[in-house]
Amino acid sequence: QSVLTQPPSVSAAPGQKVTISCSGSSSNIGNNYVAWYQQLPGTAPKLLIYDNNKRPSGIPDRFSGSKSGTSATLGITGLQTGDEADYYCATWDSSLSAGVFGGGTKLTVL
Amino acid sequence: QVQLVESGGGVVQPGGSLRLSCAASIFAFSSYAMHWVRQAPGKGLEWVAIISHDGSNKYYADSVKGRFAISRDNSKNTLYLQMNSLRAEDTAVYYCARDPNSFGFVVTCDYWGQGTLVTVSS
Repeated sequence: QSVLTQPPSVSAAPGQKVTISCSGSSSNIGNNYVAWYQQLPGTAPKLLIYDNNKRPSGIPDRFSGSKSGTSATLGITGLQTGDEADYYCATWDSSLSAGVFGGGTKLTVL
Repeated sequence: QVQLVESGGGVVQPGGSLRLSCAASIFAFSSYAMHWVRQAPGKGLEWVAIISHDGSNKYYADSVKGRFAISRDNSKNTLYLQMNSLRAEDTAVYYCARDPNSFGFVVTCDYWGQGTLVTVSS
């Protein structure tokens, strides 16, 4: 049971927009930066968003991140079949003095 | 191209030990913090440990604290994870990952290795 809560799955049609939520508390999301990762089947995770809303070089602006209070959100616009993957949020938990990942969300592009 | 290559995985009996290595190339290894992250078969990602760029700061997940030890040898551009008192629930693919900072209370991993599988079974 992760300290960060994500929906197990989301789905949307190609070209549409989807959001994935990540809910935490004041000891983690509320006071620390959030990162988002994409994991395609059989591959290592890939950094999509860091410091709540920044994109690494090479990540298209279809991917966006935001944070409000103790929750964070990943947004993906213009969905493509290649976006089908598992998505994870991650942050530091100051009470645990440890990093934490959300349970992951499987995105299906119908 | 930043490269991280893990090695040392394999099958070990419960209670046994294993040391994982992560060889880094094409970047100034000694300038960056490093993480270990694991993924049990069919499960999500679990953060394991972080070490600062100079090895002076180390933090662990509660699930491995007291059993695992993260270390690094900057002269060899190599990260390690010493795993002792292994349990069945430690079975996972173990990834090493680079943090773009020298150290910080974040879980930002911009480059990942391909992972090495550790199986704890009798």
